[in-house]
Amino acid sequence: EIVLTQSPTTMAASPGEKVTITCRASSSVSYMHWYQQKPGASPKPWIYDTSKLASGVPNRFSGSGSGTSYSLTISSMETEDTATYYCQQWSSNSRTFGGGTKLELK
Amino acid sequence: QVQLKESGPGLVQPSQTLSLTCTVAGFSLTSYNVHWVRQPPGKGLEWMGVIWNTGGTRYNSALKSRLSISKDTSKSQVFLKMNSLQTEDTATYYCARDREFGHMDAWGQGASVTVSS
Repeated sequence: EIVLTQSPTTMAASPGEKVTITCRASSSVSYMHWYQQKPGASPKPWIYDTSKLASGVPNRFSGSGSGTSYSLTISSMETEDTATYYCQQWSSNSRTFGGGTKLELK
Repeated sequence: QVQLKESGPGLVQPSQTLSLTCTVAGFSLTSYNVHWVRQPPGKGLEWMGVIWNTGGTRYNSALKSRLSISKDTSKSQVFLKMNSLQTEDTATYYCARDREFGHMDAWGQGASVTVSS
C-alpha cells in the first residue's frame, strides 16, 4: 500500500501570501488528486490528474509534481482558502489519502 | 445532475453490523465505479473500498475481513456492510463517484454513524 505524507500538517498564511502544500508518496505514482474540505462539509474535488483544476476552482490554485513528490500551490492566499486539503493517489486499483493539511488565515 | 446520498442508522451498538446505502442519480452504476470513504471526528479521510461498474470489488486491506460492498444497479443503489463494529468505527461515511485516473469527482453529503451502547 502506498502511503502519502503531507507537509506541513498545519499552517497559517497571510492574505496575499504564496502557499505551498507538499504530498510525498512512499512509491512512485502516476497522478495526484487534491480535495478541499471545510468544517461540516464533504470533501470537494479541487485539483485532479496532478494539475487540472476542478470546476469553479480559482486559477490562483495550481498543482504540480511527478513520481513521489507533488504539490498544491496558492499564488496569493485569500480568506476563502482556509480549509483542510487532502492529497489522494490511485494505484493497483486501490486509493489512499494523505493525512491532510489544515490551512488557516494569519 | 450527478448526486449521491448516503443513508443509514445514526447509531449502532458495538459488535453489531453497519448497513449503509448510497443512492445515486444522474449517472448509471453500469458505467461508473463508486467508492466508500470514512472520516472519524476530527481526523482525516480513509478509503474503505470500491465497487467497479462490472460489479467487482476492492477493499482496504485493514478493513477487508469486516467489509462488504454490493449494489443494485436497477435501483441505482450501492450498499456497504461492515461487521464487528467498535467505537473507533464512529465516523462520517461518504460515497463518491470514481473517474479516470482514480479521482473522485462527486461526493455525497455523508452519513454520520456513532458506535455506542
